[in-house]
Amino acid sequence: EVQLVDSGGGLVKPGGSLRLSCEASGFSFRIYSMTWVRQAPGRGLEWVSSIPPSSNYMYYAESVEGRFTISRDNAKNSLFLQMNNLRAEDTAVYYCARFGWNDFSHIDHWGQGTLVTVSS
Amino acid sequence: SSELTQDPAVSVALGQTVTITCRGDTLRTYFASWYQQKPGQAPLLVLYHQDNRPSEIPDRFSGSTSGNTASLTITGAQAEDEADYYCHSRDSSGNLVVFGGGTKLTVL
Repeated sequence: EVQLVDSGGGLVKPGGSLRLSCEASGFSFRIYSMTWVRQAPGRGLEWVSSIPPSSNYMYYAESVEGRFTISRDNAKNSLFLQMNNLRAEDTAVYYCARFGWNDFSHIDHWGQGTLVTVSS
Repeated sequence: SSELTQDPAVSVALGQTVTITCRGDTLRTYFASWYQQKPGQAPLLVLYHQDNRPSEIPDRFSGSTSGNTASLTITGAQAEDEADYYCHSRDSSGNLVVFGGGTKLTVL
């Protein structure tokens, strides 16, 4: 069974940093592209960042470019999102997710989400 | 433009057919996928590559595309289909993900 377990969320002050983690199991993590998607309270889904299996390139939404860094450790079946210089508008539930195919066309498995709250 | 536009809300009578649409120029190049999200839950993939369903999704869910519009149709809507539905595609480069704003489906 595919499982994605998100962790690392919490309360942080504006300008602060947080590192999210996602532990994957039940599939060959090293051959799948992965992504982070967030959802602000009462709002829709917003794509944040994606990374292919080899980490040869990373992709970011304009709203987080230069502040967030996606990475992965294929040996530990783990995905990460380093978030720096956080803003109030980054407050959201962050979902780790797996692309079904490596063309980023669809997401077939999602984590349970981890809540990030940016507030003074 | 890489934006995807959805109607904010749609309603359907129990057992009737409803279509949820997603509009965007990128849909002329890339297929849409669709997700169902119920309150307090993570999204669930219901359709991908226009009209492919994961094995656990009932066959009352179907999809199509015409021009710049992708559609999700539920034939014989059930009470448990009441949820938010989001479309997803890619931008013109094919590397960035785009979501529609979501449609809240109410089953009357």
